[in-house]
Amino acid sequence: DTAVSQTPKYLVTQMGNDKSIKCEQNLGHDTMYWYKQDSKKFLKIMFSYNNKELIINETVPNRFSPKSPDKAHLNLHINSLELGDSAVYFCASSQDLAGGLGEQFFGPGTRLTVL
Amino acid sequence: DAKTTQPTSMDCAEGRAANLPCNHSTISGNEYVYWYRQIHSQGPQYIIHGLKNNETNEMASLIITEDRKSSTLILPHATLRDTAVYYCIVRVAYSGAGSYQLTFGKGTKLSVIP
Repeated sequence: DTAVSQTPKYLVTQMGNDKSIKCEQNLGHDTMYWYKQDSKKFLKIMFSYNNKELIINETVPNRFSPKSPDKAHLNLHINSLELGDSAVYFCASSQDLAGGLGEQFFGPGTRLTVL
Repeated sequence: DAKTTQPTSMDCAEGRAANLPCNHSTISGNEYVYWYRQIHSQGPQYIIHGLKNNETNEMASLIITEDRKSSTLILPHATLRDTAVYYCIVRVAYSGAGSYQLTFGKGTKLSVIP
């Protein structure tokens, strides 16, 4: 069984459109994350979220909004897509407990291409 | 989180041990050393972590110097499937919700050669 899954795997869209990427984890974890990996392969945290708190990276434009319908899902909605949003987006999850390992499990990634 | 320094790339012959170094000279007493790797086009994968003592699991060994300013990840018998970018990350222990977010550097691109 896939631990962290993302859909779609590939997403090609036009500038200005609004799109969503879905993420689901079946590990029972409390915390989920979104990371962005740009064309230079730098992997950067965008958000971390558990059912208590959303932590937003200050460098993320407010066009990006995470939405969590329940603990197992963290979707990423992007408004008014721009060329610079083209990247691979990774979802991850971990068990967010004091003294815990904090090991993160990553999804397979969604390659977003904005034309 | 403390910054880390890793070589940009390394080669290793198949079947030999791969030793990947990492410098983290500004590491704090409550920061762990984590290693992840990213095989081409896949999500990062956890390998191992440690605080002070050397650690070993089914994937690798982690050697941390006594002063904790550097560490080495050892893949004892590298295979072609170990070709990947390896990231050394230092991270504080749990400090509240969402504290496990990782700060990735550039990593080391390990190429295992037949």
